[in-house]
Amino acid sequence: SQTIHQWPATLVQPVGSPLSLECTVEGTSNPNLYWYRQAAGRGLQLLFYSVGIGQISSEVPQNLSASRPQDRQFILSSKKLLLSDSGFYLCAWSVRSIGANVLTFGAGSRLTVL
Amino acid sequence: AQKVTQAQTEISVVEKEDVTLDCVYETRDTTYYLFWYKQPPSGELVFLIRRNSFDEQNEISGRYSWNFQKSTSSFNFTITASQVVDSAVYFCALSDLYGGATNKLIFGTGTLLAVQP
Repeated sequence: SQTIHQWPATLVQPVGSPLSLECTVEGTSNPNLYWYRQAAGRGLQLLFYSVGIGQISSEVPQNLSASRPQDRQFILSSKKLLLSDSGFYLCAWSVRSIGANVLTFGAGSRLTVL
Repeated sequence: AQKVTQAQTEISVVEKEDVTLDCVYETRDTTYYLFWYKQPPSGELVFLIRRNSFDEQNEISGRYSWNFQKSTSSFNFTITASQVVDSAVYFCALSDLYGGATNKLIFGTGTLLAVQP
């Protein structure tokens, strides 16, 4: 069966520090991968998605970047965090095919920037 | 434009009451999919249901039921005889099929359901 792991679960970082959140998927190949952010208002905003190694699409301009160095690994990064980067970050995966496949989410990473 | 509106920010009910969570959507697609997810206090989103635009039959799964009405662009979710364990944030989502296999979802802002004992 497929599983998705995200870490760290909780992170407190000072403004201006770097960030690295990691997500890995097990039990599947060639998945689509996604990073969503949930800010205080609870809405889920799609930040990045990837349909293959090295292929990253950004949905909103921001202080963050994403990379996919391996098929089942998705990393969210920042060189210098801003206060507005605080939030709950969710990684998700889906089967790669045309249509609307179910997204399966990880447990999330809660980032607080002070 | 692709948009999902969940007008109810918070709902509070007493255990065993029925509750309906509203979802209204806008889409440019003739074929589309709608989803509901549950986010318990732990934070992880749990998939509940996916419906495609060609299937307007209502669906029931235990205490959960969904009412899809294309004419009003709504996909409402009803919990019958609510329980404390139903307390969570519930998200409605719409598929964004532009671009083929990207499989993106557009989420509403969620409805916080609090079920009091």
